[in-house]
Amino acid sequence: GDSVTQMEGPVTLSEEAFLTINCTYTATGYPSLFWYVQYPGEGLQLLLKATKADDKGSNKGFEATYRKETTSFHLEKGSVQVSDSAVYFCALSDTIGAGNMLTFGGGTRLMVKP
Amino acid sequence: EAGVAQSPRYKIIEKRQSVAFWCNPISGHATLYWYQQILGQGPKLLIQFQNNGVVDDSQLPKDRFSAERLKGVDSTLKIQPAKLEDSAVYLCASGLGGGSTDTQYFGPGTRLTVL
Repeated sequence: GDSVTQMEGPVTLSEEAFLTINCTYTATGYPSLFWYVQYPGEGLQLLLKATKADDKGSNKGFEATYRKETTSFHLEKGSVQVSDSAVYFCALSDTIGAGNMLTFGGGTRLMVKP
Repeated sequence: EAGVAQSPRYKIIEKRQSVAFWCNPISGHATLYWYQQILGQGPKLLIQFQNNGVVDDSQLPKDRFSAERLKGVDSTLKIQPAKLEDSAVYLCASGLGGGSTDTQYFGPGTRLTVL
C-alpha cells in the first residue's frame, strides 16, 4: 500500500538557518503530494502542494519539488523564523470518488531558537 | 470564510462508555473526512463522505465506530463502546471534491481521553 516516510524530529535550528525536512513516498499510480503544518494548539493547515512530477509547491518561503525519479518531496526554507516552530507532515493522496485519501507521514517537529 | 467546526474540543470518558463528535464542514464542500491522530503519529483516515454517501470506510472499526452525514452537511462520529486505545485526536476535514488534487481543510480536532 501507499506509505510516506519523513525524517524523525525534533529538528532544532537557530533563527535564519536553512531548513530541510526529508520526505519519501511509496505509491501506485500518480499521487499528489502535500505538506501540512500544525502549529501548537491549532489544527492542520495546508502549507503547499504539488500535483505532478517536477512541480514545485511554494508558500510563506517554504518550497518542495515533486521528484518522481527519487520518490521524494523534501521541504526547504532558506531562513527559518521562531514563528515556524511547529510539526510538519508530509502526505500523499490517492483519488477516492470525488475526493482523495491522504496518507500521512509521522510528522517532524521543528523548533527554532532565537 | 468560516473554517471547519468541531465539538467538543476535549472529552474524557471511561472505557466501555460511548461518545459522539460533531463536525460542520466549510459551506459548499462536497467531501468530508474523519481522521484519527494518535499522539506522535500522523492522522489516519477513518471514513470519507461525498455529499451524504460513504465513499470509503475500509479503515473504520465498524464493530465500535459509526459515522453519518445527514443531508450532506454536518457529520457525527460515534464510538460505542470506547476502548483505551481509542484515546486520540479526532480530526474532521472537508474539501470541494477535486479528486487527487483536492485540498482538505481541517478542523481543530476533538481530543478524546479514555480512562
